[in-house]
Amino acid sequence: AQTVTQSQPEMSVQEAETVTLSCTYDTSESDYYLFWYKQPPSRQMILVIRQEAYKQQNATENRFSVNFQKAAKSFSLKISDSQLGDAAMYFCAYWGSNYKLTFGKGTLLTVNP
Amino acid sequence: GAVVSQHPSWVICKSGTSVKIECRSLDFQATTMFWYRQFPKQSLMLMATSNEGSKATYEQGVEKDKFLINHASLTLSTLTVTSAHPEDSSFYICSGSTGEWEPQHFGDGTRLSIL
Repeated sequence: AQTVTQSQPEMSVQEAETVTLSCTYDTSESDYYLFWYKQPPSRQMILVIRQEAYKQQNATENRFSVNFQKAAKSFSLKISDSQLGDAAMYFCAYWGSNYKLTFGKGTLLTVNP
Repeated sequence: GAVVSQHPSWVICKSGTSVKIECRSLDFQATTMFWYRQFPKQSLMLMATSNEGSKATYEQGVEKDKFLINHASLTLSTLTVTSAHPEDSSFYICSGSTGEWEPQHFGDGTRLSIL
C-alpha cells in the first residue's frame, strides 16, 4: 500500500517570505499523480497544485511550485511571497492505480504578519 | 466548473437518530463518488467509494451497515449514518470524479454532531 509522510506537523513563515513544506511517499508504481491540497479553517479542500509522475518538469501555479524528485520519492511544496491567506492546513496526497487518494497527515502553516 | 454541493453543512441531532448527507455534482457527471471522514486536526480518511448504479466499496474497518451509501444517479450520492452515536461525530467530506484518472472535486463538507 502507498504511504504519504509529511514530517512537519507545523510550520511558520513571515509574510512575504518563502516556505517549503516537505512530503515523501512510498510506492512501487511508476504511473501516479501527486497533489497538494490546502484546507483553510473553513475546511474546504482546495487543490493547490498537481504533478504527473511521468513529467520531469516541476509543476508551478503562480506563487506555488513543487520540487518533484521521483527517484527519491519526494514532493515538496514551495510557497513564495507568503500571504496571510496562505495560512491553512496543507495535505500532500498520492493517487495511483487504485484511483484512491492517500493523504499525508498534514502540515499546519501559520503566516506571521 | 466542477462544483460539488454538499448538504447540510452542519447538523446536530440526538443519539439514536439517522442522518442523511447529500452530495451533488452540479455541472458534471460524477461516475465515481468518494466519502471521507476527518477528525479534528487529522487527515482525511477514505470511508468508501461508490460508482453510479453499483454498491459502494467500503474501506477496511468501516461498518457498511452503519454508513449507508447510495449512488443512484450520476449527480447524486448520499451517506446515511444510521443510529448515530456521539462517536460518529466528525467532519464528512464527499468528492466526485468523472473517471478513473480524472481529478476529484470536493464538496465543502458536513459537520456532524451527535448529542
